[in-house]
Amino acid sequence: DGGITQSPKYLFRKEGQNVTLSCEQNLNHDAMYWYRQDPGQGLRLIYYSQIVNDFQKGDIAEGYSVSREKKESFPLTVTSAQKNPTAFYLCASSQTANEKLFFGSGTQLSVL
Amino acid sequence: GQQLNQSPQSMFIQEGEDVSMNCTSSSIFNTWLWYKQDPGEGPVLLIALYKAGELTSNGRLTAQFGITRKDSFLNISASIPSDVGIYFCAVIFSGTYKYIFGTGTRLKVLA
Repeated sequence: DGGITQSPKYLFRKEGQNVTLSCEQNLNHDAMYWYRQDPGQGLRLIYYSQIVNDFQKGDIAEGYSVSREKKESFPLTVTSAQKNPTAFYLCASSQTANEKLFFGSGTQLSVL
Repeated sequence: GQQLNQSPQSMFIQEGEDVSMNCTSSSIFNTWLWYKQDPGEGPVLLIALYKAGELTSNGRLTAQFGITRKDSFLNISASIPSDVGIYFCAVIFSGTYKYIFGTGTRLKVLA
């Protein structure tokens, strides 16, 4: 089945540690996105990528980094500079701009 | 910034009842999307609307793209317990990669 796979489902970060969230899609979509979801709030865009080897900052990029070395993969690193990382992280993809957005099942990141 | 207002914020209904929720914007958008999110899971696309006035169904779900292009409605007929979850509307800025999401309507179905 085509879809978006996020791993791990749950992740714990120690203070000062960088952690990486994985996102893989087999939909052959050009665009990929990372969103952050906090309880009771809407989705906020962290980074997005239109094509391989290119990515753009979203509304809340500080403390995060991404790479897009392959079309299928768009990992997100939560760095130690992100002081409030506890949230539910969602990866998404779309064929191109202006298209329907499809989501993975999410990663819950918590701080130890 | 741009916002989508969803109402109601939450609702409790009896199993078998019909449900209606809506989403409004102060700006015109050409594409409206409706998603459902279960606890601890990612949103799942329910219905996509591309044309003002368009009425689209997906099983017991029916959504309409408002004629003014500033609103959309989602109706669920004969609700069942598995309809529980959060329903989000979303719009797309034409020609961009920017999506705006509503804050959601939390639906709880009482058996």
